Amino acid sequence: KNEVEQSPQNLTAQEGEFITINCSYSVGISALHWLQQHPGGGIVSLFMLSSGKKKHGRLIATINIQEKHSSLHITASHPRDSAVYICAVRVQGAQKLVFGQGTRLTINP
Amino acid sequence: EPEVTQTPSHQVTQMGQEVILRCVPISNHLYFYWYRQILGQKVEFLVSFYNNEISEKSEIFDDQFSVERPDGSNFTLKIRSTKLEDSAMYFCASKRQGTTSGRDTQYFGPGTRLTVL
Repeated sequence: KNEVEQSPQNLTAQEGEFITINCSYSVGISALHWLQQHPGGGIVSLFMLSSGKKKHGRLIATINIQEKHSSLHITASHPRDSAVYICAVRVQGAQKLVFGQGTRLTINP
Repeated sequence: EPEVTQTPSHQVTQMGQEVILRCVPISNHLYFYWYRQILGQKVEFLVSFYNNEISEKSEIFDDQFSVERPDGSNFTLKIRSTKLEDSAMYFCASKRQGTTSGRDTQYFGPGTRLTVL
């Protein structure tokens, strides 16, 4: 069983829709990261969370430590949001990140 | 804004050859990482490096792999004798501090695509 599971694996939506990507994990963590990977392969860090909620522009990330679950929301989605969104957790007591398999998001105009 | 850089962007090599992938982390960062992503698969942790030594490594990081910080700026990953299955995108990352804070964010380089023939 993967330590980090994301859903859905693929998501296609129309411009303007509200997007939710989910991440569940099975290990103790010290932090959870949401990352964005563009078609060229580059990875950009969007959020790092250890509790609660963070907002940056149209992106919102939440985490529920008790339920071992996090969500990434995109409001008023735009075609430029099309990318792979990756959830990664920093395992408690360790330096490494454990990654989910990613969610491929496509926003159509 | 400071960024992590990696060279080369693409490396093609023959099986059995040695390759060195280079990274320049952000200058005031203290923790350094290598990850790899085989095409179509998820990103995997290889190794973390702090205070001039390996602090953690995965089972992937066997004797064929080594890391080095030869000077104050470069951070390298060496694969001694490449195998076909080493073909992947290799990402370097760095971060400022080890505690869970705003400085715990890892900054990723653009990656080096390694193709082993």
